[in-house]
Amino acid sequence: GDSVTQMEGPVTLSEEAFLTINCTYTATGYPSLFWYVQYPGEGLQLLLKATKADDKGSNKGFEATYRKETTSFHLEKGSVQVSDSAVYFCALWSGNTGKLIFGQGTTLQVKP
Amino acid sequence: EAGVVQSPRYKIIEKKQPVAFWCNPISGHNTLYWYRQNLGQGPELLIRYENEEAVDDSQLPKDRFSAERLKGVDSTLKIQPAELGDSAVYLCASSPNSGRQYEQYFGPGTRLTVT
Repeated sequence: GDSVTQMEGPVTLSEEAFLTINCTYTATGYPSLFWYVQYPGEGLQLLLKATKADDKGSNKGFEATYRKETTSFHLEKGSVQVSDSAVYFCALWSGNTGKLIFGQGTTLQVKP
Repeated sequence: EAGVVQSPRYKIIEKKQPVAFWCNPISGHNTLYWYRQNLGQGPELLIRYENEEAVDDSQLPKDRFSAERLKGVDSTLKIQPAELGDSAVYLCASSPNSGRQYEQYFGPGTRLTVT
């Protein structure tokens, strides 16, 4: 079945460091891909999305490119801030199952 | 615009006791979801409603879990009796309609601890 795999955390970075969180997927057809963020004590918020191959989603300095050839959707940010500390979830929308399928989440901790 | 509201935020119960969670979706959203998020995992869908109809409850453990959305707005998820393995965060989400299920808005969740 469809699935999403993320790099394990926690990821600990210093402020202004470069961030990459890896995400790969397995799906039949052409899913839409998403990154959600969950700040402490809050619900999941959609961070960015891409609906077809080579699309780049971006928001709040974060970017991710839909790579069909490598079935990947890695999240990047050039300079992280302490306020970016949260849990990040990669997800795919499967038209076959009609479900949003999440990875296990990656905790990011940014230290001043 | 108010977001998805859930209550309570935290609940601690002993095993074999019943528990209920409440969700109020974003106004005008016809599609409502309940997810369970185990510690260190991503959310997993339990049930999806289109208005008052449960259109996908294939992942809902029906021996002890039940849900309802009587008027197509608020929803309640119930567990009776609770087991130790039910400890998790229960998330509610909503979408504008069935054609935009990829666009889901999540509530803060209810953290359930079963002792």
